[in-house]
Amino acid sequence: SAVISQKPSRDICQRGTSLTIQCQVDSQVTMMFWYRQQPGQSLTLIATANQGSEATYESGFVIDKFPISRPNLTFSTLTVSNMSPEDSSIYLCSVRDRAEDEQYFGPGTRLTVT
Amino acid sequence: AQTVTQSQPEMSVQEAETVTLSCTYDTSENNYYLFWYKQPPSRQMILVIRQEAYKQQNATENRFSVNFQKAAKSFSLKISDSQLGDTAMYFCAFMKPFMNTGNQFYFGTGTSLTVIP
Repeated sequence: SAVISQKPSRDICQRGTSLTIQCQVDSQVTMMFWYRQQPGQSLTLIATANQGSEATYESGFVIDKFPISRPNLTFSTLTVSNMSPEDSSIYLCSVRDRAEDEQYFGPGTRLTVT
Repeated sequence: AQTVTQSQPEMSVQEAETVTLSCTYDTSENNYYLFWYKQPPSRQMILVIRQEAYKQQNATENRFSVNFQKAAKSFSLKISDSQLGDTAMYFCAFMKPFMNTGNQFYFGTGTSLTVIP
């Protein structure tokens, strides 16, 4: 299994600013993902964080708005850029390793944009 | 594309009673995995139970069991002897076998379960 931590756990930000969320895993994993969960909604995949290359974004999400880094097999960051109140959500990091048939989820970062 | 449908947005159950949450899915895959996750107000996603599609036997974890009907593409969760701590949002999820890239995990829209004292 994998233990995932995220920083910050929550933040309140002003419109127009940017926030970087960190995801740290306690072991090397093949795949890392970033999800968004808007209030009262299910989880939506933003992108797959690829180690050493550009992230793969899902339809409706773009790199300029959600730049992602993954410098190694245990760490990734998601930046929410030029925030608006519509970006208020929970952002979750998730990992899946080739050797395991399960996907693990971090505790989430609750973002409120005012 | 895979889709996961949870037709019950909200449910409630009396403490100590049994409740069943429904989930259906659509896929052309033959090998896959199904999960039920619990998300309490703390928002941490907690794995409740998993089922491999190739297994005919229904998975069971203590008070939690599933009714997996592969032909009908149905995967319901039964919670027996409901406890107050079971109050949470429950998500049904479908996962493909491992791929090096692309989305492999699909969530339903969730069922909000309230256990009434």
